[in-house]
Amino acid sequence: AQKVTQAQTEISVVEKEDVTLDCVYETRDTTYYLFWYKQPPSGELVFLIRRNSFDEQNEISGRYSWNFQKSTSSFNFTITASQVVDSAVYFCALSVPSGTYKYIFGTGTRLKVLA
Amino acid sequence: DSGVTQTPKHLITATGQRVTLRCSPRSGDLSVYWYQQSLDQGLQFLIHYYNGEERAKGNILERFSAQQFPDLHSELNLSSLELGDSALYFCASSARGGNQPQHFGDGTRLSIL
Repeated sequence: AQKVTQAQTEISVVEKEDVTLDCVYETRDTTYYLFWYKQPPSGELVFLIRRNSFDEQNEISGRYSWNFQKSTSSFNFTITASQVVDSAVYFCALSVPSGTYKYIFGTGTRLKVLA
Repeated sequence: DSGVTQTPKHLITATGQRVTLRCSPRSGDLSVYWYQQSLDQGLQFLIHYYNGEERAKGNILERFSAQQFPDLHSELNLSSLELGDSALYFCASSARGGNQPQHFGDGTRLSIL
């Protein structure tokens, strides 16, 4: 069975601090995709990044960076120099083919960035 | 703006009733997904349609059904509603299959009284 664990329910940081959101996944499939989505207070879910299981390169996009490590089944997300606008719930998700694709979302991490 | 349109934004109804939620995917997207987000259960995948055909089912109750029409819009039908069905229902679309990034609508908030 597949599973995504986001152990951090809520994190509070002060603006300009760096923060890392953890994501641990479980799957026996060798081909899979990992995603991060952001849900700001307004409620919509916004796609941030997709990574496939064969690409372990870390990625940086502005203040955001992602660290994919197959050895530890983790796909962690770091925000550098956090800003108040980063306050949101962040979801990690796993997609596996296994005949038909299914999306498994983690329970989310609520990030509060305080001014 | 994700390009995915969900109607209505809010729906208030009573137990035992039936409602229909509607979703128009982004232009050109062939896949539509439905999710339920409640406080105690997080974001739960319900069902995936691709170009009119059901592709995957998640934790969808038998009281719920969905379809995708030839114009690619989708409807989620919820019947015999119970208090526990109160939740935010999201629709998402992607260009093709399940390995693609999904683009979410703003959701329909369903409240059962």
